[in-house]
Amino acid sequence: QKEVEQDPGPLSVPEGAIVSLNCTYSNSAFQYFMWYRQYSRKGPELLMYTYSSGNKEDGRFTAQVDKSSKYISLFIRDSQPSDSATYLCAMREDSGSRLTFGEGTQLTVNP
Amino acid sequence: GAVVSQHPSRVICKSGTSVKIECRSLDFQATTMFWYRQFPKQSLMLMATSNEGSKATYEQGVEKDKFLINHASLTLSTLTVTSAHPEDSSFYICSASPRQEGFQETQYFGPGTRLLVL
Repeated sequence: QKEVEQDPGPLSVPEGAIVSLNCTYSNSAFQYFMWYRQYSRKGPELLMYTYSSGNKEDGRFTAQVDKSSKYISLFIRDSQPSDSATYLCAMREDSGSRLTFGEGTQLTVNP
Repeated sequence: GAVVSQHPSRVICKSGTSVKIECRSLDFQATTMFWYRQFPKQSLMLMATSNEGSKATYEQGVEKDKFLINHASLTLSTLTVTSAHPEDSSFYICSASPRQEGFQETQYFGPGTRLLVL
C-alpha cells in the first residue's frame, strides 16, 4: 500500500465549477501538508502549505487537513480554464525536508 | 520569492555523451537540494538528495556512478548524466529547500529539464 493515495483522474469540469481534490495517507507522523500545481512540461508550483489539522484559504483555493481521518483536500472555487493542470498533494514529517507525493490528479476545466 | 532555475531547459544529445544540468536557487540559500525524474503522466520519482558540501544520498535503484550530483554551494547543485542512453530520456526536475526565514519549510521546484538521448 502506498503511503499517500491520490486518484489520478482525469477529472473534467465546466468553467465555474467547484473542484474537490483529495488525498489519503497512512503515516500518522506526517505533520506538514502541501498542494502543488504542475502544468504540462513544467516544474511543480507550491499552491498551499498547511501545518497539522485545519483549514487554510488563499483566494479561490482552500486546503483542508483532517489528521484524525488522515485525509486532506483542496477545493478550487469558480474554476477557470487556467486551472487545468495536474495537482499533487505532498506531505512530510516534522523533521527534514523530504516529501512524500501523491500520484497527482489531472484536472481539465472546460470553457 | 523562492525561485529555482534550471539550465538547460531542453537538451538533445547522442547516446554515450554526458549531460550536465544546473539547478540554482535564485533568492534563497538551500540547505538541501533534490533531484527528481518524471515520466509522462507519472508522478515525481526522487533520485537523490544532496546537502551542500557533502555527498549525495541516492534512492534505491539509482546508479550513483551514472547520475553524478555535485552540490557545490548553498545555491547551486548539478546533475551530470554520464554516458547517456535512450532510456535516460526523461524530464529531470530539481527542487531546493530554504534555510532562511521568510520561506516555507518545503521544496521549491525548478522548471525542469527535458532530456532526449538519441
